[in-house]
Amino acid sequence: KNEVEQSPQNLTAQEGEFITINCSYSVGISALHWLQQHPGGGIVSLFMLSSGKKKHGRLIATINIQEKHSSLHITASHPRDSAVYICAVNPGGGADGLTFGKGTHLIIQP
Amino acid sequence: DSGVTQTPKHLITATGQRVTLRCSPRSGDLSVYWYQQSLDQGLQFLIQYYNGEERAKGNILERFSAQQFPDLHSELNLSSLELGDSALYFCASSPQGTYYGYTFGSGTRLTVV
Repeated sequence: KNEVEQSPQNLTAQEGEFITINCSYSVGISALHWLQQHPGGGIVSLFMLSSGKKKHGRLIATINIQEKHSSLHITASHPRDSAVYICAVNPGGGADGLTFGKGTHLIIQP
Repeated sequence: DSGVTQTPKHLITATGQRVTLRCSPRSGDLSVYWYQQSLDQGLQFLIQYYNGEERAKGNILERFSAQQFPDLHSELNLSSLELGDSALYFCASSPQGTYYGYTFGSGTRLTVV
């Protein structure tokens, strides 16, 4: 079983829809990251969370440490949001390399 | 441009060969991470260097090695290459650890034929 599970694996939605991507993890963590990877392959860090909620533009990320669960929300989705969204965690205990989920492939249709 | 430079962008080589991938971190960043992204395994952490010293090891094969030089650039050496080593190899850098924020390079696409 993967230490980091994402759902859904694939998501197709219409422009303007509210999008939610979920991430569950089974290990203790010091932080959780949301990453975005476009078809060209480049990876961009969107959020780093250790508690609560963060917002950047139309993106919102939340984390519930007790339930070991995080969500990434996109409001008023746009075709340019089409990308793979990847959840990753810093395991606790001083280890610093990230452990990744398999990613959610999001397509926003005009 | 993220500030993290990886070269080359693409590399095609034959099985059994040895290649070197290079990463220049963002100015001021002391920590460099290497990641492998393959179709079947997804993204995996390989190794981390901090200010020239190995800090953490992940799923790095014995055929692979890395180092970080005094100017903080890093090289990932892959030897006795196999078809299964074909993947995107990413470098990321951070001021200290990923808890302090980090930046990915654009990756090197390695194809082993």
